[in-house]
Amino acid sequence: GNSVTQMEGPVTLSEEAFLTINCTYTATGYPSLFWYVQYPGEGLQLLLKATKADDKGSNKGFEATYRKETTSFHLEKGSVQVSDSAVYFCALSDPDPIVRDMRFGAGTRLTVKP
Amino acid sequence: KAGVTQTPRYLIKTRGQQVTLSCSPISGHRSVSWYQQTPGQGLQFLFEYFSETQRNKGNFPGRFSGRQFSNSRSEMNVSTLELGDSALYLCASSLAFGSQETQYFGPGTRLLVL
Repeated sequence: GNSVTQMEGPVTLSEEAFLTINCTYTATGYPSLFWYVQYPGEGLQLLLKATKADDKGSNKGFEATYRKETTSFHLEKGSVQVSDSAVYFCALSDPDPIVRDMRFGAGTRLTVKP
Repeated sequence: KAGVTQTPRYLIKTRGQQVTLSCSPISGHRSVSWYQQTPGQGLQFLFEYFSETQRNKGNFPGRFSGRQFSNSRSEMNVSTLELGDSALYLCASSLAFGSQETQYFGPGTRLLVL
């Protein structure tokens, strides 16, 4: 079945450091891929998405490129801020357009220190 | 535009009781999905409703049920609560059902079963 594997955390970085959170997926067909962020005590917020191979999603300085050949969707940011501290979830939606069953990775907790 | 709202935000119940959670989607969104988030199992899809009909269902026992009203508001019910049902229950709305529609999440209802 469809699944998502993302790097285990926690990840601790200093402010202005470069961030990479790895995400790989298993799916038949062409799923859409997402990164969601969850701040303490809140629900999930959509950070970015990509719907086809080689698409690059970007938002708030974060980027991720849909790589079909490596089945990956790694999240990157060139210079993190303290306010980026949160849990990040990689997710995919079923390639079948009428099936919901979104699958999430386990989440990676990021802490950015001043 | 107002986001997804969920009520109540926090709930404490005892084993054997039942509980009903409510979700109001973003205005104009007709699909509502429910997810359970626990430290052990992560985020798991429960079900999706569109036009008052369940369209997709995850792998949860029949104690978990839901419904959607004509105004797209949705309720989720859990009967005969078990300790393992303690979780953050997230609701997400989208314009239509299925994997091609981006979901927007509410803040969640945190349920504690004693």
